[in-house]
Amino acid sequence: EAQVTQNPRYLITVTGKKLTVTCSQNMNHEYMSWYRQDPGLGLRQIYYSMNVEVTDKGDVPEGYKVSRKEKRNFPLILESPSPNQTSLYFCASSPTTGTGENTEAFFGQGTRLTVV
Amino acid sequence: KQEVTQIPAALSVPEGENLVLNCSFTDSAIYNLQWFRQDPGKGLTSLLLIQSSQREQTSGRLNASLDKSSGRSTLYIAASQPGDSATYLCAVYGDYKLSFGAGTTVTVRA
Repeated sequence: EAQVTQNPRYLITVTGKKLTVTCSQNMNHEYMSWYRQDPGLGLRQIYYSMNVEVTDKGDVPEGYKVSRKEKRNFPLILESPSPNQTSLYFCASSPTTGTGENTEAFFGQGTRLTVV
Repeated sequence: KQEVTQIPAALSVPEGENLVLNCSFTDSAIYNLQWFRQDPGKGLTSLLLIQSSQREQTSGRLNASLDKSSGRSTLYIAASQPGDSATYLCAVYGDYKLSFGAGTTVTVRA
């Protein structure tokens, strides 16, 4: 089954304790990205990657890191989490980034992160 | 900066009624527009993708239209069912990202 898989689904952590949220897709997609969803603010892009070893900042990258060493994986790293990073996080992938037919985005089930 | 607006924010209808959800965007230089469904606390499920060169797309009871020149898209859901209750999100693709509206929360009453 074609899917985007995030882990963990739920995480409660303490301020300053480094954590990684994993994201994996099995559709051989080139493009992957991370979003956070907050009440009243909607979904905002954190980082994106157009292919292996190619990443760039989205709208709200502060406090986050990413890497793309393999095509299928795109982990989100919080080196020193703070309470304002409490949010619902989504990983997404799509075949390409340009115009044309192959830009449909597929989302993971989300990771609900609480930083206390 | 792309701004995406969805009206209404919430909608409650009796079962069987047709649903009309509206989405508007400020920058017409988009590659495509995608409609999603989100159930409470869950992920986003893709419903329809409309390419920038298309004017509409259909899937079962769902039909979405796109008018780039006026910056508008409309999602029609025919013969609504209680299982259609969810939040519907509109997103436009440009500048290597999806810009999302705040969503329309739909309740279909049995």
